[in-house]
Amino acid sequence: AQSVTQLDSQVPVFEEAPVELRCNYSSSVSVYLFWYVQYPNQGLQLLLKYLSGSTLVKGINGFEAEFNKSQTSFHLRKPSVHISDTAEYFCAVSEGGATNKLIFGTGTLLAVQP
Amino acid sequence: DTEVTQTPKHLVMGMTNKKSLKCEQHMGHRAMYWYKQKAKKPPELMFVYSYEKLSINESVPSRFSPECPNSSLLNLHLHALQPEDSALYLCASSQELGHTIYFGEGSWLTVV
Repeated sequence: AQSVTQLDSQVPVFEEAPVELRCNYSSSVSVYLFWYVQYPNQGLQLLLKYLSGSTLVKGINGFEAEFNKSQTSFHLRKPSVHISDTAEYFCAVSEGGATNKLIFGTGTLLAVQP
Repeated sequence: DTEVTQTPKHLVMGMTNKKSLKCEQHMGHRAMYWYKQKAKKPPELMFVYSYEKLSINESVPSRFSPECPNSSLLNLHLHALQPEDSALYLCASSQELGHTIYFGEGSWLTVV
């Protein structure tokens, strides 16, 4: 069975500082990996995804993530954050196929301070 | 901007009421989903439709009744809900099963 671990429930960071949000997964088969962002009182927005190919994936709003198969990780990074990046970030894994269930991590609150 | 539209944005209903949540997408997607999200928790899958047929029901209580009238629309009919059913209900769609899932803005449901 798949699972996703986001070890950090909250990451405080100052504006213009770099940030990394950690995500580790476990699965017995090949997976697709996603990062979604949820701004306060809103739905989920797709930030980026890894389906295959290059392990470095670039997304919207200057975010990027690197798929590391040996470490079963898919950490999200941004070189310089803004106040507007304050949100909940969910890492998710899917095996695709007929069920296409998204298994979510517990989320990381990125709190950007001025 | 999301192309999955949900109405209403907010709904307050009594435990004896019957109401519906509606979801619409015009991306030509053939798979649609309902998720439930409680405060400070990740979304939990409730139902999956593929080509207008129910594909997955995650053991959801019968007081929640999904309906897919056509490939663009997905409804969630609510009846005799409990206060613990208060949550954000998210609709989502994907081109097919196994493809990337896109979410709507959600409907905030409060059961009183």
